[in-house]
Amino acid sequence: NAGVMQNPRHLVRRRGQEARLRCSPMKGHSHVYWYRQLPEEGLKFMVYLQKENIIDESGMPKERFSAEFPKEGPSILRIQQVVRGDSAAYFCASSPLGPGYRPHEAFFGQGTRLTVV
Amino acid sequence: KQEVTQIPAALSVPEGENLVLNCSFTDSAIYNLQWFRQDPGKGLTSLLLIQSSQREQTSGRLNASLDKSSGRSTLYIAASQPGDSATYLCAVEGGGADGLTFGKGTHLIIQP
Repeated sequence: NAGVMQNPRHLVRRRGQEARLRCSPMKGHSHVYWYRQLPEEGLKFMVYLQKENIIDESGMPKERFSAEFPKEGPSILRIQQVVRGDSAAYFCASSPLGPGYRPHEAFFGQGTRLTVV
Repeated sequence: KQEVTQIPAALSVPEGENLVLNCSFTDSAIYNLQWFRQDPGKGLTSLLLIQSSQREQTSGRLNASLDKSSGRSTLYIAASQPGDSATYLCAVEGGGADGLTFGKGTHLIIQP
C-alpha cells in the first residue's frame, strides 16, 4: 500500500505562469487535505476535499488558488498567475475517515516545493 | 482561533541524553493531538497520535503525554541518537473540518 503520493516533488515557475500540484491519496482514503508551509512558518491548512466535493476551503486564498478532487484521478491544487510569495512547500494529507470520526489520523505526502522565479 | 506553540524552537544536545519537547495550545476543545517528524526537504512522518480521552502514548523510545485541560503536551525522547535529528511538529485537531493546526516546530540536533 503506497503512501500519499505527490508530484512533482519540485516545481519551478516564472511569475505569471500556472502551477499544478497533484496528490494521490493512500488506497482507500477518500478525504484529502492541502497544507502550505512558507519558509520559517508552520504548516497552514488550505482546503479539505472529499471526492467531487470541497468541504472546507477557509484557508485558501480567495484569488488564483483552486482545488479539486475528481471522481477519478488525483486531487489537484492549481495556482494561477503565480507570484514570488507563492513559493513554499505544499503538502497533501489523506485520511480514511472524515473529521466527524475519531481517531482521525492524517498521513502526509512528501510535498511539492514550488519556487517562483 | 486555535494557536499552537512549541518550545524550544531549537535544541542541540549530545547523543544519549533524554530530552523533552513542549507543545501548548490555546483552545482545549480538541479531539486529538499528533506529533510528527519532518526531515529537511522531506514530508511529515507521524510519530504518535493521542486522542483527547487519552493521557499518553508510547512508541519505542518516544513517549507523548497530553494534558488537555491545561492545553499542554510533551514529547519525551529517551536515549537520543544522531538519527533523531529532525524538526518535530505538534498538531491538534479541533471540531471543525479545517484540518490540523500546527506549531512551528522544534528543530532538534543530536550531536554524535
